[in-house]
Amino acid sequence: KAGVTQTPRYLIKTRGQQVTLSCSPISGHRSVSWYQQTPGQGLQFLFEYFSETQRNKGNFPGRFSGRQFSNSRSEMNVSTLELGDSALYLCASRSGDFYEQYFGPGTRLTVT
Amino acid sequence: QKEVEQNSGPLSVPEGAIASLNCTYSDRGSQSFFWYRQYSGKSPELIMFIYSNGDKEDGRFTAQLNKASQYVSLLIRDSQPSDSATYLCAVKGEAGTALIFGKGTTLSVSS
Repeated sequence: KAGVTQTPRYLIKTRGQQVTLSCSPISGHRSVSWYQQTPGQGLQFLFEYFSETQRNKGNFPGRFSGRQFSNSRSEMNVSTLELGDSALYLCASRSGDFYEQYFGPGTRLTVT
Repeated sequence: QKEVEQNSGPLSVPEGAIASLNCTYSDRGSQSFFWYRQYSGKSPELIMFIYSNGDKEDGRFTAQLNKASQYVSLLIRDSQPSDSATYLCAVKGEAGTALIFGKGTTLSVSS
């Protein structure tokens, strides 16, 4: 079974721009969660989508948003990028019946 | 604020020894506990999960859970240099489905 895939793997953006990241979960998994990982803060939960509905949201500003499509693929959008948004953005999927989450390779975002 | 605490390390052990990694959590109602391994420059990889008090073994890995003490640990037997990585403890709280992660313990196994 193929794992979680994320595109793009690397991204360089300028302050003030916006960015969209994509995640395809493991086949059959209906839940997708997004996390931000930085050296100082570690792994922090952004939000979770299940069957196209946002189920949970972490403590991030409204510039961070997401959505999920009917095929369970998910996108995350960050508007008005700030230097502090530079991070590894990780997507994780789970089946919905269990809580074990499996991570994709991540998207490394650099904001200059 | 729900928290998961880990000693950042580094924890250094010789090859063949037992590595013991520890984690405490603040949400007494937490139900599910996970250990992830993260190599430098890579994404976290799920290596163990445990839901009930006691021990759970999988190969060289043993996860131990003590809900009364709000403590979960990971033992790695016969440590190998390839085990050198950062180990992340994650907890699912009583409410919601989000995982709360500790900041990880760096393990270094020397040959």
